[in-house]
Amino acid sequence: SQQGEEDPQALSIQEGENATMNCSYKTSINNLQWYRQNSGRGLVHLILIRSNEREKHSGRLRVTLDTSKKSSSLLITASRAADTASYFCATAGNTPLVFGKGTRLSVIA
Amino acid sequence: GAGVSQSPSNKVTEKGKDVELRCDPISGHTALYWYRQRLGQGLEFLIYFQGNSAPDKSGLPSDRFSAERTGESVSTLTIQRTQQEDSAVYLCASSRAGANEKLFFGSGTQLSVL
Repeated sequence: SQQGEEDPQALSIQEGENATMNCSYKTSINNLQWYRQNSGRGLVHLILIRSNEREKHSGRLRVTLDTSKKSSSLLITASRAADTASYFCATAGNTPLVFGKGTRLSVIA
Repeated sequence: GAGVSQSPSNKVTEKGKDVELRCDPISGHTALYWYRQRLGQGLEFLIYFQGNSAPDKSGLPSDRFSAERTGESVSTLTIQRTQQEDSAVYLCASSRAGANEKLFFGSGTQLSVL
């Protein structure tokens, strides 16, 4: 399966701290994407990193990709209470996007 | 439209009834996906439409599930003879082209089968 698996399943931090979530996958990919979901409804795309890229930044988000280890990490710096949500990685290859089970992030004010 | 629109937002039905869920993708998006998300779980891929190509139905869990899409517009997901295990949020997403582009999601339909 190409499915990404996020780690940890749940993470609780204080406002202002950094949050790191990891994603591992099993097969070759074209790109890897991170999404955010509030309250169990629609997901919002955060960032896409291509297989030939190693690191990408967007605002307070930093994503790394290690294709040799088939893993990615999402770092959220200076977290805010509004960052509380579930975060999913999704891998794109020869099949439609396959999502992991997500990391539930709680940021405590 | 400005975003992906799904209707209804909530649907309560009795076991054994058929339901139809609707998705209006972003105008111009050729790719359309349906996913299912059970409470507290990840997204399960159901079906993928790309332009006029034959849809990828590999994720449909049983023959009670079917979906149609007219051209590059509206899609309907039909679940026949609903079961309690069908209770979930059904999410639709669209993208400009291809299976590797970023997805734009609707707000989902919460289906409850009693």
